[in-house]
Amino acid sequence: AQSVTQLDSQVPVFEEAPVELRCNYSSSVSVYLFWYVQYPNQGLQLLLKYLSGSTLVKGINGFEAEFNKSQTSFHLRKPSVHISDTAEYFCAVSERRGTSYGKLTFGQGTILTVHP
Amino acid sequence: KAGVTQTPRYLIKTRGQQVTLSCSPISGHRSVSWYQQTPGQGLQFLFEYFSETQRNKGNFPGRFSGRQFSNSRSEMNVSTLELGDSALYLCASSLEQGAGEKLFFGSGTQLSVL
Repeated sequence: AQSVTQLDSQVPVFEEAPVELRCNYSSSVSVYLFWYVQYPNQGLQLLLKYLSGSTLVKGINGFEAEFNKSQTSFHLRKPSVHISDTAEYFCAVSERRGTSYGKLTFGQGTILTVHP
Repeated sequence: KAGVTQTPRYLIKTRGQQVTLSCSPISGHRSVSWYQQTPGQGLQFLFEYFSETQRNKGNFPGRFSGRQFSNSRSEMNVSTLELGDSALYLCASSLEQGAGEKLFFGSGTQLSVL
C-alpha cells in the first residue's frame, strides 16, 4: 500500500514570489508520481508526472518538480507565481506494477493562495 | 474534442434512496475511473473500468457499484444512501489502462444526502 503526505495544508504567498509545495510518499513498491491542480468548481488537471529518467520534471504553467528517491519526496516548485495559480494542488502516486492500472493514491491537498 | 462529461452536476437525495451518476469519457478513451472527494477523507479511489471490465476496486462497501458500456460511457450507483455519502464524485478517463497514464477529470457530480 502507498500513502502520500502533503506537508502544508495551506500556503499563502505574494504574487511574483517563488513557491514550493511539499510532498512525501511511502510505498513498498516502485511508484509513478504526479501533481494535479484543482481550480474552484472544476475537476483535476495534470500539472506534471514522473515516470522515469531525469529527476527534474517540467510541467505546464511554469511548474516543475524534483523526484528524490532517497528522501521519498516529490516537491513542486514555481519560481514566480501569479494570481491565477490560486488553486488546490494534489500530489499523487500509482504503483508501477501492471495490476494497479490507473489507481491513484492522493495526498490531502495544499491550498495555494496568491495575494496581490 | 469534448472533455469528460459528468451528469448531473448537482444532486440532492435523502437517506435510504439510491442514485446513479453518469460519465462520458473523452472520445477514444477506453479507461474510466471514479473517485470520491470529501473535505475529511480527501480524494479516494472507487473503481476503474476498461473495456467494460472492472480492473480495480477501492475500499468502499458493496453499496457502491459501477459499470461501463461498450461505448466506454460509465455509470456508478450508490444504493441505500447514507449521510456520509455526501461528496463530490469525480470521473476520469484515459486513453489506455496503465499506471502511468494521464487522467482527464470531469467537473464532478456534487451529491448531497439529507
